[in-house]
Amino acid sequence: GQQVMQIPQYQHVQEGEDFTTYCNSSTTLSNIQWYKQRPGGHPVFLIQLVKSGEVKKQKRLTFQFGEAKKNSSLHITATQTTDVGTYFCAGRTSGTYKYIFGTGTRLKVLA
Amino acid sequence: DGGITQSPKYLFRKEGQNVTLSCEQNLNHDAMYWYRQDPGQGLRLIYYSQIVNDFQKGDIAEGYSVSREKKESFPLTVTSAQKNPTAFYLCASSSSGTGGAEAFFGQGTRLTVV
Repeated sequence: GQQVMQIPQYQHVQEGEDFTTYCNSSTTLSNIQWYKQRPGGHPVFLIQLVKSGEVKKQKRLTFQFGEAKKNSSLHITATQTTDVGTYFCAGRTSGTYKYIFGTGTRLKVLA
Repeated sequence: DGGITQSPKYLFRKEGQNVTLSCEQNLNHDAMYWYRQDPGQGLRLIYYSQIVNDFQKGDIAEGYSVSREKKESFPLTVTSAQKNPTAFYLCASSSSGTGGAEAFFGQGTRLTVV
């Protein structure tokens, strides 16, 4: 079945350093979404990517969708302590209505 | 306030008992979902529903059951057949069952079976 993997599983950075998480799907995706889950909280939607090669930015966050629509990345520039949490990608294949969530990357930011 | 509500936040049950987790939304969303999250892991899909009176199994449906009699409600029953039910359960809804809309999550129910 479809699998979505994320790397790294954990990442500790000093405040001000950059951070990147990568999402890889075993199958071609129709679209991909990114969510953030704060410790003890629930996932909150960040963004959706649909087009091959698409790049979207939200302040210090940059999201990319691969040309083959099988991978995606989230890059945070100059991390802040408020960026702490687990970042999940969720991919959907054409013809289905369900999203498969990645394994998540847990980010810790050291002040 | 519009949103999606799960209750209770914490639930304790004895092994062998069935338990039902509540999920209600007032966002007028067609699609609703149940996910299970284990410590340090991602979200795994249990069941989803695109429309009232219709639902489909996700990747880990064994030992669970759902109903969708009303648009606002999508309760999940964890049956005694579920071998390892202790987990964090998240309910979500989205405006479109066709997959193009963001999902809104409830606060979750942490189920502990002793």
